[in-house]
Amino acid sequence: AQTVTQSQPEMSVQEAETVTLSCTYDTSENNYYLFWYKQPPSRQMILVIRQEAYKQQNATENRFSVNFQKAAKSFSLKISDSQLGDTAMYFCAFIVIQGAQKLVFGQGTRLTINP
Amino acid sequence: KAGVTQTPRYLIKTRGQQVTLSCSPISGHRSVSWYQQTPGQGLQFLFEYFSETQRNKGNFPGRFSGRQFSNSRSEMNVSTLELGDSALYLCASSLGPGVGNEQFFGPGTRLTVL
Repeated sequence: AQTVTQSQPEMSVQEAETVTLSCTYDTSENNYYLFWYKQPPSRQMILVIRQEAYKQQNATENRFSVNFQKAAKSFSLKISDSQLGDTAMYFCAFIVIQGAQKLVFGQGTRLTINP
Repeated sequence: KAGVTQTPRYLIKTRGQQVTLSCSPISGHRSVSWYQQTPGQGLQFLFEYFSETQRNKGNFPGRFSGRQFSNSRSEMNVSTLELGDSALYLCASSLGPGVGNEQFFGPGTRLTVL
């Protein structure tokens, strides 16, 4: 069975600080994608960043970057220079390439950016 | 390009009734997946449709069903509603298996069962 675990239910940081959200996963598959999705309060889920498991280089999107450790099955998200608009639920998710379009989600981390 | 749309956005039903939710994917996307989001269980996969065929189904009772039309629009149906079916139902569309696998989500339908 494939599982995703986010060990931090809630986090809170000051604006402009850097914050890292943790995620571990378990799978026997070798070819998959990992994602971080953001769900702001009462707004729809949007993709923050994506990592292909076959790529060793960590993905980066502006202030968002990941630390992907395939052997350890770890996929953390770092948000630099955090902004008030980063306040949201963050979900780590996993999908098998060429498999069913079924995302397996972690339980989420509620991130609050304080002014 | 228009995003994923879901209708209705809010629904209030009573136990025992049935409900149909609709999802229109992004133009050109052929895969539609449905998820149930609740505070207790988090985000759980319901089912996935690709080219009008159900390719995979999550661990939900048979009261949950769905279909996809030739234009890739999808509907899901829940019969004999129970209180525990109250949730945010999210639809996501993608190009299909292996094509980047990125899923784009709609705003969801919030179902309340009284």
